[in-house]
Amino acid sequence: GNSVTQMEGPVTLSEEAFLTINCTYTATGYPSLFWYVQYPGEGLQLLLKATKADDKGSNKGFEATYRKETTSFHLEKGSVQVSDSAVYFCALSDRPSSGGSYIPTFGRGTSLIVHP
Amino acid sequence: DVKVTQSSRYLVKRTGEKVFLECVQDMDHENMFWYRQDPGLGLRLIYFSYDVKMKEKGDIPEGYSVSREKKERFSLILESTSTNQTSMYLCASSLSNSGQGKNQPQHFGDGTRLSIL
Repeated sequence: GNSVTQMEGPVTLSEEAFLTINCTYTATGYPSLFWYVQYPGEGLQLLLKATKADDKGSNKGFEATYRKETTSFHLEKGSVQVSDSAVYFCALSDRPSSGGSYIPTFGRGTSLIVHP
Repeated sequence: DVKVTQSSRYLVKRTGEKVFLECVQDMDHENMFWYRQDPGLGLRLIYFSYDVKMKEKGDIPEGYSVSREKKERFSLILESTSTNQTSMYLCASSLSNSGQGKNQPQHFGDGTRLSIL
């Protein structure tokens, strides 16, 4: 079956440091890949996505590249801010269900804490 | 922007009570989902609906049921609550967009934190 593995957190960084959060996946087909972010007290919101191999998703200074050969989708940001403190979830979409829809598979989330 | 609204942010109930969690989305999405989120376990899918009156069990459906009488509304029902149902419950919706469905992101509500005493 499908699975997503994320690095365990928390990841603690100083402001302006470089961020990498690792994500690897297992899928039987050709999934779409997503990163979601959850700020304290809120639901998840889409950060970026990539739908095929070698695609790069980007948003708000965050980037991730769909690497089929290594089955990875690592999240990076060159200079983090305190406001980036949140939980980050990697997800894939490749599990078909009734009605022709797809059910996503989520990783367990990685907490990021950025200190001033 | 898509808005997914969950009826309550916080609820406190006693064991054995019946609880309804309501979720409404305003963008005509076909798919709606209920998850629970627990520390260290991430998101676990309880139920999924791909159309009015259609539902599919997720990974942890035991102790829960759902109702979808209108396209915009998806209710999670806890028939007789127990303390192990204390959790954060998240509702989400997405477009089906046949053929491109796997490219569609989910849109989440802000969650309901349910405490069962």
